[in-house]
Amino acid sequence: DQQVKQNSPSLSVQEGRISILNCDYTNSMFDYFLWYKKYPAEGPTFLISISSIKDKNEDGRFTVFLNKSAKHLSLHIVPSQPGDSAVYFCAASLYNFNKFYFGSGTKLNVKP
Amino acid sequence: SAVISQKPSRDICQRGTSLTIQCQVDSQVTMMFWYRQQPGQSLTLIATANQGSEATYESGFVIDKFPISRPNLTFSTLTVSNMSPEDSSIYLCSVVDRTLSYEQYFGPGTRLTVT
Repeated sequence: DQQVKQNSPSLSVQEGRISILNCDYTNSMFDYFLWYKKYPAEGPTFLISISSIKDKNEDGRFTVFLNKSAKHLSLHIVPSQPGDSAVYFCAASLYNFNKFYFGSGTKLNVKP
Repeated sequence: SAVISQKPSRDICQRGTSLTIQCQVDSQVTMMFWYRQQPGQSLTLIATANQGSEATYESGFVIDKFPISRPNLTFSTLTVSNMSPEDSSIYLCSVVDRTLSYEQYFGPGTRLTVT
């Protein structure tokens, strides 16, 4: 049973517009959430994180929103750039960080 | 963030053979993990590499198939034993250093093809 889900396998966005990537989870005990970006032939790169005590975290063009009641988080990229084209994974962890659960990924394509 | 290297970066192996993947971190880290990413799939945790003791395996993964060593806080190996084409995958080492942060960092991965 997959505890972290990314229901959109792909997303296409025009350069300069907003990209919104979504992630849902089932375990209300998750305490920490992360987003990773992965280019082909490379390992995932940590992008941004949020703890369960917050509902928003911002870092430059990237903002992560957490809605605990809905068990939903999203990553906003504004403005989107062609270099943002990659596969994005969301992940969740319990308070002890002994294990991370990953979604199946969303492939983002930012068109020039 | 920790800098992680993996060797080899890729390999093509014959069915029935074994391959050992090395993971080296530039600093001492508390936790090291091994993941697998099969084509078009998410990252699946194989095991947590414990320093000085046996690795903790996830459901569906066993020590005989994926023996893991972690002799110190900066190095670990994963062996894929008696390989079959179904083992073709990207194998990723990752670390968490809880003394610094809670983010998990990944190595570049080892792309394994079994023929």
